[in-house]
Amino acid sequence: SQTIHQWPATLVQPVGSPLSLECTVEGTSNPNLYWYRQAAGRGLQLLFYSVGIGQISSEVPQNLSASRPQDRQFILSSKKLLLSDSGFYLCAWSEWTANYGYTFGSGTRLTVV
Amino acid sequence: AQSVTQLDSQVPVFEEAPVELRCNYSSSVSVYLFWYVQYPNQGLQLLLKYLSGSTLVKGINGFEAEFNKSQTSFHLRKPSVHISDTAEYFCAVSEVSGYSTLTFGKGTMLLVSP
Repeated sequence: SQTIHQWPATLVQPVGSPLSLECTVEGTSNPNLYWYRQAAGRGLQLLFYSVGIGQISSEVPQNLSASRPQDRQFILSSKKLLLSDSGFYLCAWSEWTANYGYTFGSGTRLTVV
Repeated sequence: AQSVTQLDSQVPVFEEAPVELRCNYSSSVSVYLFWYVQYPNQGLQLLLKYLSGSTLVKGINGFEAEFNKSQTSFHLRKPSVHISDTAEYFCAVSEVSGYSTLTFGKGTMLLVSP
């Protein structure tokens, strides 16, 4: 069966520091991968998605970036964190279409101080 | 592009009472519809989905939802809630044709009290 792993679970980082969040999927090939951010009272915001290795689509311009160095690995990065980057970050995967919905990771709570 | 409106940000209810969480969508093409549940500090878990066929969809934990195309709605219901149902619920939509990402509503917090 397919599983998705996301780490770390919690992270406290100072303003201006770099960020790297990692997400990996097991038990499937060529998944579509997604990064969402969830801020209090604002629902889920799609940040990036990828349909293949090296392919990244950005939904919201900001100081975050994403990379997909391997088929089942998706990384969210920042060179310099802002206070406004605080939130709950969720990774998800799906088949080539969204027909069957997404499967989400357990999330990373990022607090920028 | 599609959009989702969850009309209630918070729904308080007593244990064993029925509940309905409302979801309306907007799209110019046919859609797939989903409900997800999120417990505190956890990821989202799929409750149920409508792809085609019967408009009444049954999901996990005793929840069900009904697709109403004329009213562009996909309301979530449970006849008798438990304390453990306290969580945030998200409605989501994707377009049937071609590649599509999910668009989520802002969520409804279900608060079940004894």
